Amino acid sequence: DSGVTQTPKHLITATGQRVTLRCSPRSGDLSVYWYQQSLDQGLQFLIQYYNGEERAKGNILERFSAQQFPDLHSELNLSSLELGDSALYFCASSVDAEETGNTEAFFGQGTRLTVV
Amino acid sequence: GENVEQHPSTLSVQEGDSAVIKCTYSDSASNYFPWYKQELGKRPQLIIDIRSNVGEKKDQRIAVTLNKTAKHFSLHITETQPEDSAVYFCAVLNNNNDMRFGAGTRLTVKP
Repeated sequence: DSGVTQTPKHLITATGQRVTLRCSPRSGDLSVYWYQQSLDQGLQFLIQYYNGEERAKGNILERFSAQQFPDLHSELNLSSLELGDSALYFCASSVDAEETGNTEAFFGQGTRLTVV
Repeated sequence: GENVEQHPSTLSVQEGDSAVIKCTYSDSASNYFPWYKQELGKRPQLIIDIRSNVGEKKDQRIAVTLNKTAKHFSLHITETQPEDSAVYFCAVLNNNNDMRFGAGTRLTVKP
């Protein structure tokens, strides 16, 4: 168990719908990353939050948004869903230590989203 | 932003042979270089990492080498076993604590 919790584990929804994926980082971790992994594909970086604020943005569609709350949990909102949005969505967290290079990313088990 | 390239995308080796996966990055300020292994249906997990002040690190059958001047690092797996079959991802962390992953390498070890 990595200490990162993602819910739900599985989600099936119809095209055009909106879903929210939730991530609880490890205790003490301030950074949360969201990644999308399509079938047999790599990890596509979507967005990163640090201590409640957006820090970096990757290849995230305008239909997608995220936020990190004061208790450090994060939510990824996916709207106007399309078939191509079907994927495994991972959340990872890491501690942002003052000293550089001391920050392993721990992954949650992912949320498998299927859009039908 | 950081650009991480990983090669090859697929790699098939015979059990007992060695496997090498390479990654290049663009941001010279990057300082932490982990490798993750993702088995089928599971989450990526850290297997080895190296920091910018070290050129090589070894842990049993796996090793990572870093060439900061050339901005590339490699994962070496020796005496491969079928259970090494998985997707391997390199990653790069810069001074802004941004972690970017390579596209992944699917390693197949044939018995």
